[in-house]
Amino acid sequence: AQSVAQPEDQVNVAEGNPLTVKCTYSVSGNPYLFWYVQYPNRGLQFLLKYITGDNLVKGSYGFEAEFNKSQTSFHLKKPSALVSDSALYFCAVRDMSGNTPLVFGKGTRLSVIA
Amino acid sequence: KAGVTQTPRYLIKTRGQQVTLSCSPISGHRSVSWYQQTPGQGLQFLFEYFSETQRNKGNFPGRFSGRQFSNSRSEMNVSTLELGDSALYLCASSQQTVRGDEQFFGPGTRLTVL
Repeated sequence: AQSVAQPEDQVNVAEGNPLTVKCTYSVSGNPYLFWYVQYPNRGLQFLLKYITGDNLVKGSYGFEAEFNKSQTSFHLKKPSALVSDSALYFCAVRDMSGNTPLVFGKGTRLSVIA
Repeated sequence: KAGVTQTPRYLIKTRGQQVTLSCSPISGHRSVSWYQQTPGQGLQFLFEYFSETQRNKGNFPGRFSGRQFSNSRSEMNVSTLELGDSALYLCASSQQTVRGDEQFFGPGTRLTVL
């Protein structure tokens, strides 16, 4: 069965500092990997995805993520955090090889402090 | 293009009642997925439909059911409501021409069971 782990419930970072939100995954085949963000009282918004090719993926709002197959990780990063980045972030995985649904992690709440 | 719409946005029901939630996907999207979001459990997968066929089902009791119509609109039904069914129910649509397509989420239906 496929699964996603987001080991940190909460990440706090000062505005202007780099941020990292961690994600590790488990699938039987090769993964499709996604990051979504949820602002208060809103649905999820797509940030970026890894399908194949370059391990460094760039997405919306200056976010990027690096696919690391050996460590089964897909950490979300941004070089300089903004207060407006404060939100709930979800990592998700789908097994490329099977007829399986998209599975989400439990989410990490990011707080960027001015 | 209009986004994913969900109706109603808010519902208050009592235990034992049943409820039907509706989702209209983005025009041209043939796949609809449903998720339950609660503070402790994150996003839990409920169903995935593609061209009126249920392609995947999550680990929920039989009280939870769904369907998709020929115009790709989808409904989910919860019968014999329990207090633990209180949650934000999110619908997402995608083109699903390939399995790596990202999903686009609606704003959700907030269900409160008293």
